Amino acid sequence: GAVVSQHPSRVICKSGTSVKIECRSLDFQATTMFWYRQFPKKSLMLMATSNEGSKATYEQGVEKDKFLINHASLTLSTLTVTSAHPEDSSFYICSASPPEGGRDTEAFFGQGTRLTVV
Amino acid sequence: GESVGLHLPTLSVQEGDNSIINCAYSNSASDYFIWYKQESGKGPQFIIDIRSNMDKRQGQRVTVLLNKTVKHLSLQIAATQPGDSAVYFCAEPMNSGYSTLTFGKGTMLLVSP
Repeated sequence: GAVVSQHPSRVICKSGTSVKIECRSLDFQATTMFWYRQFPKKSLMLMATSNEGSKATYEQGVEKDKFLINHASLTLSTLTVTSAHPEDSSFYICSASPPEGGRDTEAFFGQGTRLTVV
Repeated sequence: GESVGLHLPTLSVQEGDNSIINCAYSNSASDYFIWYKQESGKGPQFIIDIRSNMDKRQGQRVTVLLNKTVKHLSLQIAATQPGDSAVYFCAEPMNSGYSTLTFGKGTMLLVSP
């Protein structure tokens, strides 16, 4: 199957700093990528849809200024957690789908990024 | 099944047993479902999917059953192995668009040797 890679897999940062997480589609071009957040022992919650060349679409309750998304190329989306606080500590996961499919095209997930804010 | 409260429901089985993980959904118009496996510290991995025009679909050691009457989905794993230990989520596409998924609350499967 297609490969989606995230980097870094783990990051620890100090409160007030910003952290950038990268999501790359390695063997296909993705006009759209998706960012999820997962708390311990909980399910994945969609945060935002990253659109290549245009603004991201955020789900209700997700702060646009806190979670900056940039999708500058067809293979790379970045999520920047700005002015991080301990409550931002979580597991962040991206996904993407090859462009040829429709609503039921398989979504491929990155390996996730564990963010710990101290 | 679906979790309530703070903890994931957990299914503990012995190696070699068959496992059944359940998922309920609420939207009777849902037409496509996917099961994902998530190992600790990793992203979800696709296992099997099923469309609403089917009642059953089989893969390698896995079977998904769909009961549209009661809006229930199950994942059956035959001859469960320690490597099957993970959290299993059912998911379906959101109404809003392609490839955006709504995940169920997950079930943790623990397989003892």
